[in-house]
Formats: sequence, structure tokens, C-alpha cells
Amino acid sequence: GAGVSQSPSNKVTEKGKDVELRCDPISGHTALYWYRQSLGQGLEFLIYFQGNSAPDKSGLPSDRFSAERTGGSVSTLTIQRTQQEDSAVYLCASGGGAGLHNEQFFGPGTRLTVL
Amino acid sequence: DQQVKQNSPSLSVQEGRISILNCDYTNSMFDYFLWYKKYPAEGPTFLISISSIKDKNEDGRFTVFLNKSAKHLSLHIVPSQPGDSAVYFCGAKVGAQKLVFGQGTRLTINP
Repeated sequence: GAGVSQSPSNKVTEKGKDVELRCDPISGHTALYWYRQSLGQGLEFLIYFQGNSAPDKSGLPSDRFSAERTGGSVSTLTIQRTQQEDSAVYLCASGGGAGLHNEQFFGPGTRLTVL
Repeated sequence: DQQVKQNSPSLSVQEGRISILNCDYTNSMFDYFLWYKKYPAEGPTFLISISSIKDKNEDGRFTVFLNKSAKHLSLHIVPSQPGDSAVYFCGAKVGAQKLVFGQGTRLTINP
């Protein structure tokens, strides 16, 4: 079956431009996460969607970052006025289903480079 | 506030020996713990998990131990193989709340 997919796989942009990163989760998964991994760093939590609940946005580093999840499926992470420190690999993961405790399945990530 | 910590950024082990990766946490409410493995240029993949009602879970060469009183968990890999070389992340969660990860430990298996 299809796993989590992310697009684009690579994105190079100029400082100050806006970017949109897309995540297609596994069908039927109720949970969706965005993380980012900067060079040499760990997995930094950004935002978490769970079903119809209000998203947990506690990890978003600034108001330039926002995310939405349309129809409980596809999610878009938007970064406005990108800065060089936004350069990282942005990872999406989905999980859930019938059980409360399920592992999250990660996509391959989008490598963002801000020049 | 780092709720999940992996204090060893790297670990080098000889092939065939045991690899032990450690993880400490501060939130006593965590009730589920997971280990993920990440190769370069790929997303993390799930390895093994453990519920807080258990103290050990085993899956082939991988065993996770949980010590709730010490707020510590560890992943044992035995015997270690070259393909085990990767970055390992431990994660923890409370119920349906978000999964939080440690900083990762880079494991290198030497032939």
C-alpha cells in the first residue's frame, strides 16, 4: 500500500519568499505530524493534527509558519518570508486508526534550502 | 524544555557485539515509547515500541527496556550488524497527545 508521500522532495528558494510543502498521509490515518530536522540536529516537533481536534501548534517556531489539513487528509505547511535558518528537512508523519497507540509512519521529507 | 533526551550523540560498536542506546525522559505521564531508525536522505522508520505497563519488549535482535522509576529506556541490538548503522531516535507520548523525540544517537557498526 502507499505510504506517506511529500512534495516537493527538494525546494530551493530565495530569502523572503513564501514556500508551501505538501504531505499526503496514509489513507484513514487520523493523526498527522510535521517535524523538521536541521543539519546535525534531532527531530523538532512543529505541529500535530489529530482527527477533528484543534491542532497542537506548540512547536511552530514563529508566526511565519502555519499548517492546515484539509478534509482530514492532505496537509500543507506554509512558511512565509523564508529565512536562511529555515533551511532543514521537513518531515511529515501520519498515524492512528482504530487504536490509541500506533506508530507514526514518516514520509521521505522535503529538503528546503533558503539562499 | 527537552522532555526526551538522548545524551549520547554517537556510539560505535563492533559487528557482532551488543549495541545499547539510551534515552531519558522527564514527563512521568508518558505512557508509550517508540524507537525509530533513520538512514540518510530517508524518513525515520518505526523499529519497536513499549507501553508503560511493561518493562521489556523484544522483537528479534531488538529489545527495549523501560525503567519507569528511573525514567529511562534503552534499546539493545544483539548481535549488531553493519546494516544497523543509522541514527536512532526515541520518542514518547501521553495518550493521543503529540509524540516527542529525543535528539538522536548515531550508531556506527564497525566490521
